[in-house]
Amino acid sequence: GENVEQHPSTLSVQEGDSAVIKCTYSDSASNYFPWYKQELGKRPQLIIDIRSNVGEKKDQRIAVTLNKTAKHFSLHITETQPEDSAVYFCAASTQGSSNYKLTFGKGTLLTVNP
Amino acid sequence: GAVVSQHPSRVICKSGTSVKIECRSLDFQATTMFWYRQFPKKSLMLMATSNEGSKATYEQGVEKDKFLINHASLTLSTLTVTSAHPEDSSFYICSAPDPTNYGYTFGSGTRLTVV
Repeated sequence: GENVEQHPSTLSVQEGDSAVIKCTYSDSASNYFPWYKQELGKRPQLIIDIRSNVGEKKDQRIAVTLNKTAKHFSLHITETQPEDSAVYFCAASTQGSSNYKLTFGKGTLLTVNP
Repeated sequence: GAVVSQHPSRVICKSGTSVKIECRSLDFQATTMFWYRQFPKKSLMLMATSNEGSKATYEQGVEKDKFLINHASLTLSTLTVTSAHPEDSSFYICSAPDPTNYGYTFGSGTRLTVV
């Protein structure tokens, strides 16, 4: 089955700096790669996603890049703010198949220091 | 996006009792529901996949007799933790494919504490 590795497990940045979180996946059939932000005791919130037919997607301060050949994708947050502090999860799935479950990375605790 | 309503949000039960968690799709038909468990400071681990009208598919290592999943209608999937023990205390969350954006929508989660 799919295996998603996520690094780093913790990341501390100063307000205004950029943050980068990286994930690798094992199943070359995976074609959907979402990123979630989760606050304590809450459901994961989708912040951005990318499908395998594109290499990069941007939404204001957040961007995701995908390298299908290397099987890795990254989350980039620019101009970080204290409210960006949370746990971030990457995930992968194979949409369009009979088994399109989401496999999550282990998460990154991002702390943005004022 | 589509909405999945999950109840209860919190439950405390005694060891040996059973607890039922419900997830309802409010504005769409969910033929599939994924059930996850999340321990503190850990990731979401898929427990099982339920499909309307058929038996659930359990992930390796998940006891199907302990975690009973029923998906009897297109809008309701339930997870019953039977004979709960303190080690079953966790955050349980359901998720369904979102037909509005081809992503996934999540329930709000259930914090189960077994005392």
